[in-house]
Amino acid sequence: AQSVTQLDSHVSVSEGTPVLLRCNYSSSYSPSLFWYVQHPNKGLQLLLKYTSAATLVKGINGFEAEFKKSETSFHLTKPSAHMSDAAEYFCVVNGLFGKGTRLSVIA
Amino acid sequence: EADIYQTPRYLVIGTGKKITLECSQTMGHDKMYWYQQDPGMELHLIHYSYGVNSTEKGDLSSESTVSRIRTEHFPLTLESARPSHTSQYLCASSEHGRAVETQYFGPGTRLLVL
Repeated sequence: AQSVTQLDSHVSVSEGTPVLLRCNYSSSYSPSLFWYVQHPNKGLQLLLKYTSAATLVKGINGFEAEFKKSETSFHLTKPSAHMSDAAEYFCVVNGLFGKGTRLSVIA
Repeated sequence: EADIYQTPRYLVIGTGKKITLECSQTMGHDKMYWYQQDPGMELHLIHYSYGVNSTEKGDLSSESTVSRIRTEHFPLTLESARPSHTSQYLCASSEHGRAVETQYFGPGTRLLVL
């Protein structure tokens, strides 16, 4: 069986502070891991994907995610939040979508 | 840049109407998907296809149907729309057989059934 859990339904940060969006998963085989972002009234956009080449994956717009097999996690981070980062973020494991985390950025 | 298109982008119709949501991709991808997303809620897979003449139901039961007569085209049909069908419908495609199947999404169709 496989599952994906986004631990926070809503995260609120101040502009310029770090962002951490958490994702844990279970998979019976080596997982394919993705983060997608969905801005209001827009389609889904791929942020980054884990391809097993490196555990730290760099994505667009300054986002990164680290694959930690021992912790079965693939948390998304960004050193400094920007107002334009406010959106819904989805962790995807083997094609299975998490419930999403809404990121709010406060000026 | 992904080339996957959905039409219409927005649709308002009355109860009982038959509608077809169009999805096309020009990447030659074998796998295509339809997701349903209610406002503020998670995505649910309602249909997918591995290729021409292949259609499967997803995790969420849906009254819609799909067809896959051509690789690039994966339309979704509601025979008789109801207000409960009001939602956003997202189409996606991916290249089957790769170790990492990145899904590329269309812009979505927002459906309102009155």
